[in-house]
Amino acid sequence: DVKVTQSSRYLVKRTGEKVFLECVQDMDHENMFWYRQDPGLGLRLIYFSYDVKMKEKGDIPEGYSVSREKKERFSLILESASTNQTSMYLCASQRVAEPQHFGDGTRLSIL
Amino acid sequence: GEDVEQSLFLSVREGDSSVINCTYTDSSSTYLYWYKQEPGAGLQLLTYIFSNMDMKQDQRLTVLLNKKDKHLSLRIADTQTGDSAIYFCAETYGGATNKLIFGTGTLLAVQP
Repeated sequence: DVKVTQSSRYLVKRTGEKVFLECVQDMDHENMFWYRQDPGLGLRLIYFSYDVKMKEKGDIPEGYSVSREKKERFSLILESASTNQTSMYLCASQRVAEPQHFGDGTRLSIL
Repeated sequence: GEDVEQSLFLSVREGDSSVINCTYTDSSSTYLYWYKQEPGAGLQLLTYIFSNMDMKQDQRLTVLLNKKDKHLSLRIADTQTGDSAIYFCAETYGGATNKLIFGTGTLLAVQP
């Protein structure tokens, strides 16, 4: 079974802090993704990575950056957290041309 | 731009069949997916269908694809209370297999 692990289920941070969300997959997948999920808006892609050190912007990259130094790990960084980044964040991984598999999500609150 | 639409809510009685519908706009979609999300959890892949198929069955799940009308449906036979969740339809777009557009999800409520 594919296992995608997000480091925290719940996280509370303050406005202006630098926030790191971590995601690890154990299936040697090439592609990894970060989404945010908000009520009524579905899932929106923030960034994805198709190889180590390679990344591509998704639909809503503003205010976020990513890092992929190792194939199994994909980090989402909020450079200076703001209240409008309070959301559910979902990581996914994918072998090329196969379905995406998701982690359990991190519910992030910015106060 | 590309869009995926679903109805917001469906209520059924335990033991009945549920049918969740989805319409999409990108005719070049390669794959279409159904994901399930239980409260507080991530998305669980339920099933998917390749665009050159019109039906796929997997135990209690049946997926129907009408490419002409760009309509996808998920039928759950003998619906159980454990099936209560949000169901998301998603399509690949732009001819790629790594980019998905998701619908806003259908909340399925199963009444005992």
